[in-house]
Order: sequence, then C-alpha cells, then structure tokens
Amino acid sequence: AQSVTQLDSQVPVFEEAPVELRCNYSSSVSVYLFWYVQYPNQGLQLLLKYLSGSTLVKGINGFEAEFNKSQTSFHLRKPSVHISDTAEYFCAVGPSGYSTLTFGKGTMLLVSP
Amino acid sequence: DAMVIQNPRYQVTQFGKPVTLSCSQTLNHNVMYWYQQKSSQAPKLLFHYYDKDFNNEADTPDNFQSRRPNTSFCFLDIRSPGLGDAAMYLCATSIGQGYEQYFGPGTRLTVT
Repeated sequence: AQSVTQLDSQVPVFEEAPVELRCNYSSSVSVYLFWYVQYPNQGLQLLLKYLSGSTLVKGINGFEAEFNKSQTSFHLRKPSVHISDTAEYFCAVGPSGYSTLTFGKGTMLLVSP
Repeated sequence: DAMVIQNPRYQVTQFGKPVTLSCSQTLNHNVMYWYQQKSSQAPKLLFHYYDKDFNNEADTPDNFQSRRPNTSFCFLDIRSPGLGDAAMYLCATSIGQGYEQYFGPGTRLTVT
C-alpha cells in the first residue's frame, strides 16, 4: 500500500515570493507521482507528473517538482507566485503499473498582495 | 475539445431518495473513476472501471453503485442518500495503467 503526507495544510505567501509545497510518500514498490491543483468548486487539474527519467519535472503555470527517491519526497516549487495561484494543491502517488492513485490531504496555497 | 463532462454540476436530493450522477468522456479512455470529496479533504476513490471490469474499493459503502454502459458513460447511483453523503463527486478518466487521470468539474451533492 502507498501513503502520501502533505506536511502543510496551509501555506500563506505574498505575491511574487517563492513557494515550496512539501510532499512525502511511502511505498514498497516503485511509484508514479503527480501534483494536481483544484480551484474552488472545480475538478482537479494536472500540474505535473513524474513517471521516470529526469528527477526535475516541469509543469504548467511555472511550477516544477523534484523527485528524491532517497528522501521519498516530491516537493512542488514555484519561484514567483501570483494571486491566481491561490488554490488547493494535491500530491498523489500511484504504484507503477496500476490504475489507482492515493492522494494526500492537500495544501491550501494562499497568495496575498 | 476532448474532455470529461459531469451532469448536473449541482444536485439536491432528499434523505433516502435515490439519485444518479452522470459522467461522460470524449477522450476514449479505458479507465473511469468515481471519487467522493468532502470539504477540505482529499478525494476518496469509490470505484473504477477498467474497460468493463468493475473494481470496488473495500470501504465503499453498499449504498453506492456504479454502471458503465459503454466506453463514454459512467453513472454513480446512490440508493438511499444520507446526510453524510453530501459531498463533491468527481469523475476521472485515464488511458490506462500508470497514466495521469483527467478530472471532470465535479457534481456537488446536497442532501436535505
């Protein structure tokens, strides 16, 4: 079984500041990793994914994440946030070769002027 | 544009009155999922279909059923909704194993 821990339930940050949203996972098998964003009353939108290859993954809206196998982490970063980045962010893990995902509890990113 | 469509976006039902939520996709994906998401919580997988093969999560209540009559459509039936079933219900699709999931906008269910 897999599990995902998002250490911060809320991250407040000022506009144009850098941000890091933390995600740690545990699994006994190799995994695929994903970050999704959810705006109020909407579905989840894929930001980026790690399946294999380069451990630094670039996604949409200027986000990137780095897969660290030894630390079992997949932290999400953005060098300069905008007000429009205010949303809930979910980290998810899926065992390689399977169809289902396990989601973390989410981190609410609050960007203020 | 290829997409995942959920209807209705908002559904109000009465306690104990059966309700059906629908999901359709134009992506021609093999896998379709139903998630329940309560306020400020992670999406919780209820079940998924890999083609016609139905996969029920162990802790999904019997009150929840699903149908997939064809590749494009999938339905979530709640036989006797309780107040605790009020939530956002998300449908998602995926090409197959190891691929990302594409989510619909969700249906917010209110139980009165």
